[in-house]
Amino acid sequence: EAGVAQSPRYKIIEKRQSVAFWCNPISGHATLYWYQQILGQGPKLLIQFQNNGVVDDSQLPKDRFSAERLKGVDSTLKIQPAKLEDSAVYLCASSLVPGALEQYFGPGTRLTVT
Amino acid sequence: KQEVTQIPAALSVPEGENLVLNCSFTDSAIYNLQWFRQDPGKGLTSLLLIQSSQREQTSGRLNASLDKSSGRSTLYIAASQPGDSATYLCAVKGGGSQGNLIFGKGTKLSVKP
Repeated sequence: EAGVAQSPRYKIIEKRQSVAFWCNPISGHATLYWYQQILGQGPKLLIQFQNNGVVDDSQLPKDRFSAERLKGVDSTLKIQPAKLEDSAVYLCASSLVPGALEQYFGPGTRLTVT
Repeated sequence: KQEVTQIPAALSVPEGENLVLNCSFTDSAIYNLQWFRQDPGKGLTSLLLIQSSQREQTSGRLNASLDKSSGRSTLYIAASQPGDSATYLCAVKGGGSQGNLIFGKGTKLSVKP
C-alpha cells in the first residue's frame, strides 16, 4: 500500500512570495489533514478535510493560507504572501474516516522563508 | 485548552540502557493517546495508541502506560539501540472520536553505541 505522498520535499522562497504544497493521500482515505510543524515544536493542525469539504480550519491563518481538496483526493496548501514565521515543515496526513484511530503521515515539505 | 508537555526535551543514553520518556496533559477528558516517532526529514510513524479505557500497550521493546486521572503517560524503551535515535512525540485526542490530535514538543533521543 503506497503511503501519503507530498511534494516538493524542500522549498526556499523569499518573504512576500507565494508557495504551494501538494499532497496525495492513501487511496480510499476520506479524511485529509494539513499540519504545520515549526522547528522544536509538535505538529499543529491547520485544516481537516472530509472528502472535499472542510471539517475544521479554525487554526488556519486565512488571511494568507488557503487549501483545497478538489474531487476529494489530492490537496494543495497555499501561502500567499509568505512571512518569515511561516518557515516550518508542512505535514499531510490521511485517515480512512474522520474518527479512525490511525492517521498516516507523509514525509513533509520543509519550507524556508528568507 | 489542552496542553501537552514532554520531559525531557532531549536525552542521550548509551546503548543497552532502559529508558523512560514522559508526557503530561492538562485535560484528562481524552479519547486516546498516541506515541509517534519522527526521524529527521521524515514524517511521523505511529508507535503505540492507548484508548482512554486502557492502561497500557506494548509492542516489542516498547511499552506505553496511561494514567488518565493524573494526566500522565510514559513510554518505556527496553534495551535501547542506536536505531532508536529519533524524536518521540506524544499526542492526545480529545473531543470524542473525531477530535483533533494535540501534540507535545517531543523528546529527542540519542542512543550512543
